Amino acid sequence: RKEVEQDPGPFNVPEGATVAFNCTYSNSASQSFFWYRQDCRKEPKLLMSVYSSGNEDGRFTAQLNRASQYISLLIRDSKLSDSATYLCVVGGGLSTSGTYKYIFGTGTRLKVLA
Amino acid sequence: EAQVTQNPRYLITVTGKKLTVTCSQNMNHEYMSWYRQDPGLGLRQIYYSMNVEVTDKGDVPEGYKVSRKEKRNFPLILESPSPNQTSLYFCASSSLPGQEDEAFFGQGTRLTVV
Repeated sequence: RKEVEQDPGPFNVPEGATVAFNCTYSNSASQSFFWYRQDCRKEPKLLMSVYSSGNEDGRFTAQLNRASQYISLLIRDSKLSDSATYLCVVGGGLSTSGTYKYIFGTGTRLKVLA
Repeated sequence: EAQVTQNPRYLITVTGKKLTVTCSQNMNHEYMSWYRQDPGLGLRQIYYSMNVEVTDKGDVPEGYKVSRKEKRNFPLILESPSPNQTSLYFCASSSLPGQEDEAFFGQGTRLTVV
């Protein structure tokens, strides 16, 4: 089982739609959680951090469920400019040598259609 | 301006010819890491470092070396590149867990080994 798993998509949705992505992680000791956005051939950039209490930034809402070990991202009123790959990132699980690791999911592709 | 700088951005080389990809950050971050990104496989961690002189293997370390002699620099070394190391490489830096550990990425290095 992969340490972080995402549905690769692609998700093709019309403009204005609401779309949700989920990401599961296997290490219960993980401490930090993020959603990154990556445009084609560009570097990933932070979209939002994910907290236990959930957080919202405009049209984007992120949730963390520690009991079930998953995080989610909800995008409301999708725009054409939201088309990108969304990467789930989990950090803080210690490696066997005791050092800190970040694990990236393989990403979920979103295409918003006019 | 906070940034992670990778060089070169593009590189074509021949099998067996040693190369180094440089990475430098100006944010005084403790944590630095290297990833490769391949279609369908997402971002995979090659090596990471929690501080000067502290490095650890990621998920795909074979064929790579790193060093962390200074806090700001984390070069990736391919002693004898092979065609299966053709990929898009990203360097990233962040502070340690428990702090604001958003990862900042360099713009990527597209490497082709022929």
